[in-house]
Amino acid sequence: DSGVTQTPKHLITATGQRVTLRCSPRSGDLSVYWYQQSLDQGLQFLIQYYNGEERAKGNILERFSAQQFPDLHSELNLSSLELGDSALYFCASSARFRDSPFGYTFGSGTRLTVV
Amino acid sequence: GQQLNQSPQSMFIQEGEDVSMNCTSSSIFNTWLWYKQEPGEGPVLLIALYKAGELTSNGRLTAQFGITRKDSFLNISASIPSDVGIYFCAGTFNNDMRFGAGTRLTVKP
Repeated sequence: DSGVTQTPKHLITATGQRVTLRCSPRSGDLSVYWYQQSLDQGLQFLIQYYNGEERAKGNILERFSAQQFPDLHSELNLSSLELGDSALYFCASSARFRDSPFGYTFGSGTRLTVV
Repeated sequence: GQQLNQSPQSMFIQEGEDVSMNCTSSSIFNTWLWYKQEPGEGPVLLIALYKAGELTSNGRLTAQFGITRKDSFLNISASIPSDVGIYFCAGTFNNDMRFGAGTRLTVKP
């Protein structure tokens, strides 16, 4: 157990729908990062939050949004889902904002299947 | 952008064999990282490299940070069945981290 909790582990939904993925960071970590891993692809950085504020944005679609709550858990919202959104979505956490990536701890991911 | 090209895409080897995989980029990176991902789990950091030319070992794993800062390799010696997984390289530059597409390793007993 890495200490980073992601729910649900699996999600199957239809095109056009909206889903919410949840991440609880490791105790004491203030930064949360979201990554997308499509089939046979590396991890694509989506977005980072630090202590409730958005700090960095990667290749995140406009249909996707995220937030980090006062208790530091984060949610990734995916709307108007398309077949191509099917992927593994990982959350990682680290202690500080300008943390070296050595401090990232990954969760086990949420596998999203859009049918 | 800073793209990482990781090769090979997959490897099928016999237990006991040595393995070598590498990552190259047209851009320089400040650090190179190697992660392993097992089925159903997130990536776990194996080795971190901090400066050009650095050679670091972690048990049967050895990785090097290329002199040009544009490449890195990972070697696994005397592979065992539990080495199975996907190995990712990652490079960081100004706190931005990019991942390679991964090398899927299969080890036959």
